[in-house]
Amino acid sequence: AQKITQTQPGMFVQEKEAVTLDCTYDTSDQSYGLFWYKQPSSGEMIFLIYQGSYDEQNATEGRYSLNFQKARKSANLVISASQLGDSAMYFCAMTPDRGSTLGRLYFGRGTQLTVWP
Amino acid sequence: DAGVTQSPTHLIKTRGQQVTLRCSPKSGHDTVSWYQQALGQGPQFIFQYYEEEERQRGNFPDRFSGHQFPNYSSELNVNALLLGDSALYLCASSLRTSGGTDTQYFGPGTRLTVL
Repeated sequence: AQKITQTQPGMFVQEKEAVTLDCTYDTSDQSYGLFWYKQPSSGEMIFLIYQGSYDEQNATEGRYSLNFQKARKSANLVISASQLGDSAMYFCAMTPDRGSTLGRLYFGRGTQLTVWP
Repeated sequence: DAGVTQSPTHLIKTRGQQVTLRCSPKSGHDTVSWYQQALGQGPQFIFQYYEEEERQRGNFPDRFSGHQFPNYSSELNVNALLLGDSALYLCASSLRTSGGTDTQYFGPGTRLTVL
């Protein structure tokens, strides 16, 4: 069975500072994909970043980077230079399919990030 | 390039009624997945459709059914509504490519309230 754990219900960060959102996962699969999504209060899930289990380099997308530690089964999201518009719920998710986003996504419970001026 | 669209935006029903939610995938996508997100929770996978067939299903009762049309759009039907079915229903679309890593793009969701 797949399980995603996000232990931080809420995080606060000052504008322009960096913040790390924690995510650990549990799976017996050798091949899987890890994702982070942002969900503003409007409800839409916005894709941020993807990491394949066989990718040796940590994924980066603009101000987002994924700190992937396979042996520890962690996939933390780092947001650099936080902006007020980053305030939202952030979800870590995993698919057990082989490097593909086509399978079902398993989500954590989310972390509410608040960026203050 | 239109993204994933869902209708309606909001819906209020009473217990025992039936509801149909609709989803149009992002242009060029052929796979549609449905998720239920209860308040304060992460989304839970309901099922996935590809080539007009249900390909995967999560732990949801048969009251939840779906359909995919030749134009790749999809419907989610829920029969005999329960209070616990109140949630945000999210549709996600993707392109089924062999070994691909195409992202699942989500729509804005339909918020269903069951009274």
